[in-house]
Amino acid sequence: RKEVEQDPGPFNVPEGATVAFNCTYSNSASQSFFWYRQDCRKEPKLLMSVYSSGNEDGRFTAQLNRASQYISLLIRDSKLSDSATYLCVVWVSYNTDKLIFGTGTRLQVFP
Amino acid sequence: GAGVSQSPRYKVTKRGQDVALRCDPISGHVSLYWYRQALGQGPEFLTYFNYEAQQDKSGLPNDRFSAERPEGSISTLTIQRTEQRDSAMYRCASSSLLTSGDNYEQYFGPGTRLTVT
Repeated sequence: RKEVEQDPGPFNVPEGATVAFNCTYSNSASQSFFWYRQDCRKEPKLLMSVYSSGNEDGRFTAQLNRASQYISLLIRDSKLSDSATYLCVVWVSYNTDKLIFGTGTRLQVFP
Repeated sequence: GAGVSQSPRYKVTKRGQDVALRCDPISGHVSLYWYRQALGQGPEFLTYFNYEAQQDKSGLPNDRFSAERPEGSISTLTIQRTEQRDSAMYRCASSSLLTSGDNYEQYFGPGTRLTVT
């Protein structure tokens, strides 16, 4: 089983739609959580951190459920420019300090 | 300011040759990570450094892979006796923080696309 699991998609949604991505992680020692965005043929870039109480950044809302080891990302009012791959990322600090990436979920927003 | 840079951007090599991939992190960044990314997958951890010290090399696939960061800045990932299965995008990332916390972020370079023929 992979340490971080995501539905690879693709999710094809019209502009203005709300879309949600989910992610599960297996390492209960994971301490920090992130969503990264990767555009086609580009490097990953941090979208937002995920806090226990949930957090929002404009149209983006991230949630964490530690008991279920589950992370989510909600995008409201989708824009064409949101088309990208969204990577769920967990930080593991037991005997190391490293990020573990999921396979990513591809989003395609169409007009 | 300048971001993370990697060279070469593309490398085609013949099976059995050695290759050296270079990463130049953001100036002042203390930690440096190496990843390998296959098409349609997320980055896969290889190894990392805090300053010049290699902290975890558990992700290196085998002993043909090695990395160094002798002066705590530029790093080199070396693959000896390359094999076709080594073909992938190799990315490095750097961070100003040693460990995760508020505002933690890794900044990725553009990657080196390695093709072994």
